[in-house]
Amino acid sequence: GQQLNQSPQSMFIQEGEDVSMNCTSSSIFNTWLWYKQDPGEGPVLLIALYKAGELTSNGRLTAQFGITRKDSFLNISASIPSDVGIYFCAGHTSGSRLTFGEGTQLTVNP
Amino acid sequence: DTEVTQTPKHLVMGMTNKKSLKCEQHMGHRAMYWYKQKAKKPPELMFVYSYEKLSINESVPSRFSPECPNSSLLNLHLHALQPEDSALYLCASSQARLARYNEQFFGPGTRLTVL
Repeated sequence: GQQLNQSPQSMFIQEGEDVSMNCTSSSIFNTWLWYKQDPGEGPVLLIALYKAGELTSNGRLTAQFGITRKDSFLNISASIPSDVGIYFCAGHTSGSRLTFGEGTQLTVNP
Repeated sequence: DTEVTQTPKHLVMGMTNKKSLKCEQHMGHRAMYWYKQKAKKPPELMFVYSYEKLSINESVPSRFSPECPNSSLLNLHLHALQPEDSALYLCASSQARLARYNEQFFGPGTRLTVL
């Protein structure tokens, strides 16, 4: 089946630092989604990407859909304590299934 | 209203109990999903309903029984569960067609503990 390799698995940063995480696959995806999940809550959709090469921002978040359609990255600028959580990438090809990455656990030290 | 709601927030049940999880959305979405999530793992798809019809069952044991009474509601009926079924159960919804149907919106989840 399709697999997404998400890295890094975890990050420990200082408040104010920039963060970058990415997902890669051997398969082509038509859509890339980035979610954030706080403990005990459901994932919240941050950014959706639909075109190869697309670069989209949402506040301090920027995500790109790789030109090969096999990868995507998420950047967070000037991190703050509330950025703590698990970030999941998800890819979609056809039908109703999303393929999720294993997640990046982000810890921000004040 | 861009929210998916789930009740209850927490549920503790014995292996002989019957319980139900409920999910509701008022975004006009015609696709609804049940996921199971273990700690620090990504969500795992269980069921998909499209236009109130079951379209995907990911080989889920029959002790989990989904139901979609109407386009806004999704239930998950639980019976004779095992301790390993303890997890966060997430409901999601999306449009059922066009490009944006890939954008799935999740509820806050029900934390289920099976004793």
